[in-house]
Amino acid sequence: TAGITQAPTSQILAAGRSMTLRCTQDMRHNAMYWYRQDLGLGLRLIHYSNTAGTTGKGEVPDGYSVSRANTDDFPLTLASAVPSQTSVYFCASSKGLADGNEQFFGPGTRLTVL
Amino acid sequence: SQQGEEDPQALSIQEGENATMNCSYKTSINNLQWYRQNSGRGLVHLILIRSNEREKHSGRLRVTLDTSKKSSSLLITASRAADTASYFCATIDVGRGSARQLTFGSGTQLTVLP
Repeated sequence: TAGITQAPTSQILAAGRSMTLRCTQDMRHNAMYWYRQDLGLGLRLIHYSNTAGTTGKGEVPDGYSVSRANTDDFPLTLASAVPSQTSVYFCASSKGLADGNEQFFGPGTRLTVL
Repeated sequence: SQQGEEDPQALSIQEGENATMNCSYKTSINNLQWYRQNSGRGLVHLILIRSNEREKHSGRLRVTLDTSKKSSSLLITASRAADTASYFCATIDVGRGSARQLTFGSGTQLTVLP
């Protein structure tokens, strides 16, 4: 079982360019999440989706957008990247709402914006 | 803002010793989760303790929860070099209504020396 996959593994991106980080899960989980992880700050939630067709804003949503066209995929788009978006991005999923449900994480995408 | 804060930020012990990490949080919770992250990897769920539980065990892991002090501890007994990782606590603020998403602390970096 693959669990959650993310692509690409890493990327260097010029400021002002757009990019989509891909996330796919094969566990038929309803809820999916995008986090960014920065040194000393732990993980911060960017956007989430409780079920296909719905999305919500997390703690740090500015500069990012998401879509949830189906259960399996939850892409994260940076429309115009800025250096402060340099980070490691993790996608996660859970059976249902976060409360009481463990989250399963992907391997991460390391993004550098120059 | 971070709900959970781990203490210490870094911990170095010898193989075979016990490791204790603490987590403090700010608001009322329904449960608290602990996750582990190996270097360069995604987070892996370790254990969940509910607000009506005071202690929980899983293998070499022992978690305690003191809701009156808004704190939790993770004890790893008989540590091994393979336990070297970062450990995060995660909680949900029950006062946030429908936006019930996990908030992670900044983590404790545990190093177990062989």
